[in-house]
Amino acid sequence: AQKITQTQPGMFVQEKEAVTLDCTYDTSDPSYGLFWYKQPSSGEMIFLIYQGSYDQQNATEGRYSLNFQKARKSANLVISASQLGDSAMYFCAMREGLKAAGNKLTFGGGTRVLVKP
Amino acid sequence: KAGVTQTPRYLIKTRGQQVTLSCSPISGHRSVSWYQQTPGQGLQFLFEYFSETQRNKGNFPGRFSGRQFSNSRSEMNVSTLELGDSALYLCASSIRAEGTEAFFGQGTRLTVV
Repeated sequence: AQKITQTQPGMFVQEKEAVTLDCTYDTSDPSYGLFWYKQPSSGEMIFLIYQGSYDQQNATEGRYSLNFQKARKSANLVISASQLGDSAMYFCAMREGLKAAGNKLTFGGGTRVLVKP
Repeated sequence: KAGVTQTPRYLIKTRGQQVTLSCSPISGHRSVSWYQQTPGQGLQFLFEYFSETQRNKGNFPGRFSGRQFSNSRSEMNVSTLELGDSALYLCASSIRAEGTEAFFGQGTRLTVV
């Protein structure tokens, strides 16, 4: 079974509008972390936001917020006020377990976002 | 503060050759992880090093190996290159053993011909 599922292969969004990128995950470990990364065409993976499984509040970083619904095992990324520079691939990733897992990340297939002017 | 540096950025190799890629993590970061990204398989974890010890290994053949030096710099080596090894190889560094952030370099794009 897929550990991280991103069901939207691609989407268009109008500049200045908000967009939600879906991510569902599968783990039986009670301790895990969820990450979102942005990958522009240059190839570099840019860290956006992190949510720990025990965090009580949804994570926010500037225009990025993570809608964490633990019971549904979803961790959707919301980008508010989209900008042309937000056009990129977006990846959801998970780190499972405590020390044993180290920093191993499992990635979803990604969602390509194109912001229209 | 310098980010994660990967060298070289681009590489073309012939099938059967071997290649070594380098990754210098952010200063003070002790964990280095390597990933392979291909259009078909997406992003796949190769291995992770922490304080010169391999802590995790992905499901890749033994042709893929790595190491980490005392200054936390890491290298990965691929021997007997195959066409399917053509990929973007990304390195990530984290400050501690179970980081809440992993910072990636720009990657090395390897093309095997």
